[in-house]
Amino acid sequence: GAGVSQSPRYKVAKRGQDVALRCDPISGHVSLFWYQQALGQGPEFLTYFQNEAQLDKSGLPSDRFFAERPEGSVSTLKIQRTQQEDSAVYLCASSSAGGPGNTIYFGEGSWLTVV
Amino acid sequence: AQSVTQLGSHVSVSEGALVLLRCNYSSSVPPYLFWYVQYPNQGLQLLLKYTSAATLVKGINGFEAEFKKSETSFHLTKPSAHMSDAAEYFCAAHLSGGYNKLIFGAGTRLAVHP
Repeated sequence: GAGVSQSPRYKVAKRGQDVALRCDPISGHVSLFWYQQALGQGPEFLTYFQNEAQLDKSGLPSDRFFAERPEGSVSTLKIQRTQQEDSAVYLCASSSAGGPGNTIYFGEGSWLTVV
Repeated sequence: AQSVTQLGSHVSVSEGALVLLRCNYSSSVPPYLFWYVQYPNQGLQLLLKYTSAATLVKGINGFEAEFKKSETSFHLTKPSAHMSDAAEYFCAAHLSGGYNKLIFGAGTRLAVHP
């Protein structure tokens, strides 16, 4: 597609439910990122893939968070046993290559509310 | 630790006035710097980026930013604000040295009033 596509755009989950957020990056983009943006704050890095390899998952806040990109294109961020503090916008981004200086393009985000 | 600081969480200007949004980075951050804009309920859109070429970078919508190494700053400016510029603006630095991630500032919300 023309841009980074995320689904669902909005998700309300009951505390304790599992959720899965999907990201479809720009076609051909090697690098894929997930960020978490809490209300009124800047995005914070969660994890990074280069093709299907997860090279950095240092930002994942707990072992309830899991991301995968099995074929090097579409990625899924899974949150198990959701908690209220997980409420945030989850942004997916992609770039054509790794390394600094490459433009990173963001999707519109998946807005998660845990009630 | 590398960091990006945006001075002023809220800035308000009159339509037609100069826009100045401030961004400072920690000295260990490499000089790959970005400004993104976020409109309500939307994702981040790249305004401009600095990648060690010209220190004055021109972006979309009439915005520009100047990289000043001596001041570790990358402030965003626009000569004349428009109502449509009202949004949240984020400064970000792209880490290198084995990492590949953007570090964002906390953001500055720009309000433009008639």
